[in-house]
Amino acid sequence: DAKTTQPPSMDCAEGRAANLPCNHSTISGNEYVYWYRQIHSQGPQYIIHGLKNNETNEMASLIITEDRKSSTLILPHATLRDTAVYYCIVLNAGGTSYGKLTFGQGTILTVHP
Amino acid sequence: GAVVSQHPSRVICKSGTSVKIECRSLDFQATTMFWYRQFPKQSLMLMATSNEGSKATYEQGVEKDKFLINHASLTLSTLTVTSAHPEDSSFYICSATGTVQETQYFGPGTRLLVL
Repeated sequence: DAKTTQPPSMDCAEGRAANLPCNHSTISGNEYVYWYRQIHSQGPQYIIHGLKNNETNEMASLIITEDRKSSTLILPHATLRDTAVYYCIVLNAGGTSYGKLTFGQGTILTVHP
Repeated sequence: GAVVSQHPSRVICKSGTSVKIECRSLDFQATTMFWYRQFPKQSLMLMATSNEGSKATYEQGVEKDKFLINHASLTLSTLTVTSAHPEDSSFYICSATGTVQETQYFGPGTRLLVL
């Protein structure tokens, strides 16, 4: 699986948009970009995923660059409950690594009042 | 999203005893379940992959005789930590993916403390 690089930490004011970047320069054509978050002492929560098109759901938007080497997760109106570790993971959709998620250190997002 | 549960949420046991952790997919059939371990201030590490009706595949460095995994149905997988020792104290998390879904959904985790 392609490696990802994320900033170790970010801050965001409550009510503002949180933009979390992720670099995945070695991503292959059939590899998806997945985002999860983990709130302290809980299991990871699925947020969103995409292949090459931008995606939006009720939680967030995912913007993937045209060359697919980087992406940005956008939380449009951050709340205090969005404080968590955010993981950007590149997932191979087939082969022997099918379904395996490799968690890096992620980005600690702190939303402050 | 799909719901995955784990039981128990927290367990304390004596060194040398065995502990069983259950992982259930509540609203979908999970052909594949994964088991992870997370030590304090560290990220999740994949321990093993289990497919319904077949033997689990363990990651390098994970002892299959110590961490017994059973995936007997499409909604239940169990992890048994045999002869637990204090160094096995950790946060154990399962995830599941269905037959037509690629997204992994995670359980809430089980915190194991071995005294």
